[in-house]
Amino acid sequence: NAGVMQNPRHLVRRRGQEARLRCSPMKGHSHVYWYRQLPEEGLKFMVYLQKENIIDESGMPKERFSAEFPKEGPSILRIQQVVRGDSAAYFCASSHSPGHPLNSPLHFGNGTRLTVT
Amino acid sequence: GESVGLHLPTLSVQEGDNSIINCAYSNSASDYFIWYKQESGKGPQFIIDIRSNMDKRQGQRVTVLLNKTVKHLSLQIAATQPGDSAVYFCAENRPRNYGQNFVFGPGTRLSVLP
Repeated sequence: NAGVMQNPRHLVRRRGQEARLRCSPMKGHSHVYWYRQLPEEGLKFMVYLQKENIIDESGMPKERFSAEFPKEGPSILRIQQVVRGDSAAYFCASSHSPGHPLNSPLHFGNGTRLTVT
Repeated sequence: GESVGLHLPTLSVQEGDNSIINCAYSNSASDYFIWYKQESGKGPQFIIDIRSNMDKRQGQRVTVLLNKTVKHLSLQIAATQPGDSAVYFCAENRPRNYGQNFVFGPGTRLSVLP
């Protein structure tokens, strides 16, 4: 049973380009969380999605960032017109239900490292 | 010893010694806590958890202590090994009606010296 899969593992973009980060949750999981980790810092919550719905986007920057989790296919985190400050590791985690983590633990992927040149 | 600066705090310990990593959390309503280990180039890996109605929990070579009075969490690693070198994060779950709500601490880098 594959874990949470993120691709690409590394992504290099020039300023102004678009970045698309993909996350395939664990089999049977329909809840996805995206986190951003700046160098030498902890993980910061960005957005929580359930299939076809954004549940909580309180951690998303107001501009240039968007996320989706379609009925079919992976969750996508999209960053338009990237700037150097977007350089970070982006992690996705999934769970099988919206319940308490004791009953529905989070499973993390290995992240996508975005470098903006 | 432990150092704090512009970068992640780093704890250096000799192989075979015990390590203690500390974490302060902010929300007295948090009901569940997890310690994660993150190795270079990888995602967070679950180590041990504790509910807020407990003050101590033991695993294999690891112990988590919770002091709700001062909102403090610690991770103790016995007989530290080179493979324990990593960044360690605590995470607190702030309960809500729907979905999980983890807030991560800033992390501590553990460096095991031969």
